[in-house]
Amino acid sequence: GAVVSQHPSRVICKSGTSVKIECRSLDFQATTMFWYRQFPKQSLMLMATSNEGSKATYEQGVEKDKFLINHASLTLSTLTVTSAHPEDSSFYICSASRQLNTEAFFGQGTRLTVV
Amino acid sequence: GENVEQHPSTLSVQEGDSAVIKCTYSDSASNYFPWYKQELGKGPQLIIDIRSNVGEKKDQRIAVTLNKTAKHFSLHITETQPEDSAVYFCAEGFSGGYQKVTFGTGTKLQVIP
Repeated sequence: GAVVSQHPSRVICKSGTSVKIECRSLDFQATTMFWYRQFPKQSLMLMATSNEGSKATYEQGVEKDKFLINHASLTLSTLTVTSAHPEDSSFYICSASRQLNTEAFFGQGTRLTVV
Repeated sequence: GENVEQHPSTLSVQEGDSAVIKCTYSDSASNYFPWYKQELGKGPQLIIDIRSNVGEKKDQRIAVTLNKTAKHFSLHITETQPEDSAVYFCAEGFSGGYQKVTFGTGTKLQVIP
């Protein structure tokens, strides 16, 4: 199957700082990627749809100025958590599909801890 | 996709027994129903999916059934093994795009050796 890789896998940052998470499709081009957030022992909640070369589409209740998404190339989308707070601590996961109407492959996730 | 209810939230079975997880969805337009397995600290991995034009799909020890009229679908794992222990998520979405899906609440499956 296709490979979607996230980096870093774990990150700890101080309150008030920003942290960037990368999502790469390693062996295919992805015009659309998705970003999810998962709190402990909970389900995955879609945050936003990342579109190559255009603005991301955010789900209701997700602050676009806090969670900056950039999809500058067909193999890379980045999520930047700005002015991080402890409540932003979570597991962030991205997914991408090789093409329309095919399965989505998920990255291994990034564990963010804000102290 | 909208709400997806998943039951049970936890499930313990003896090795070799079968496990069944059920999900109910509300969006009648949904036509794509994947199931994911998530191990601790990792991203979800697709194990099987079904589209609305079929009622059942099987892949070795794993099968999924879909009842579009009742808006529910189920995952069946037979001859369970300890390595099947994980959290399983159902999801629903639209197959006409890039697979944006709504996840169920998850089921923690424990297979007891």
